[in-house]
Amino acid sequence: QVHLVESGGGLVKPGGSLRLSCAASGFTFSDSYMSWIRQAPGKGLEVLSYIGRSGTDINYADSVRGRFTISRDNAKNSLFLQMDSLRVEDTAIYYCARTARQFSDWGQGTLVIVSS
Amino acid sequence: DVVMTQSPFSLPVTLGQPASISCRSSQSIVYSDGNIYFNWFQQRPGQSPRRLIYMVSSRDSGVPDRFSGSGSGTDFTLKISRVEAEDVGVYYCMQGTHWPFTFGGGTKVEIK
Repeated sequence: QVHLVESGGGLVKPGGSLRLSCAASGFTFSDSYMSWIRQAPGKGLEVLSYIGRSGTDINYADSVRGRFTISRDNAKNSLFLQMDSLRVEDTAIYYCARTARQFSDWGQGTLVIVSS
Repeated sequence: DVVMTQSPFSLPVTLGQPASISCRSSQSIVYSDGNIYFNWFQQRPGQSPRRLIYMVSSRDSGVPDRFSGSGSGTDFTLKISRVEAEDVGVYYCMQGTHWPFTFGGGTKVEIK
């Protein structure tokens, strides 16, 4: 059974940084593209970034390009999102999801609040 | 960016009655490999999204067969043949063909 568990969220001031993690189990992590998606409070879903199996195929949404960095550690079955220069509008629940184009499985999400 | 437009915004349904949600993409979402990376997701209150349908009409494992997806070109539909109480939530369409991948704004299904 696929299991994705995000962690690392919290309260941070504007301009600050956070590093999110996603621990994966129940499937061959190194065989899967992975993605980060967020949902602002009471709002819809925004795809932020995906990363290929070996970490070389990467893309970012314009809203986070240059500020966020996606990475993975296949040896540890883990996905990461380094978030720098955080803005108030980055406040959201952040989900990791399996695959890039079809989001077959999702974690429970981790809440990031950017506020002074 | 490809805009995914869902309708209706809100859908009150009587238990046991059918429901239908529409989604229209602003351009063709046929990928270069011939596949249409179009999905439907359900988000129950307080939960993460869950994929119901992928590739327009393929139902995920464990999804009741009262859910069905159809469509082609730029118009897609999710149908629930007989709505049950557990179907309450927000439903999102999503295209995974053109980056950035985009979701529709959501349709809230509630019981009358």
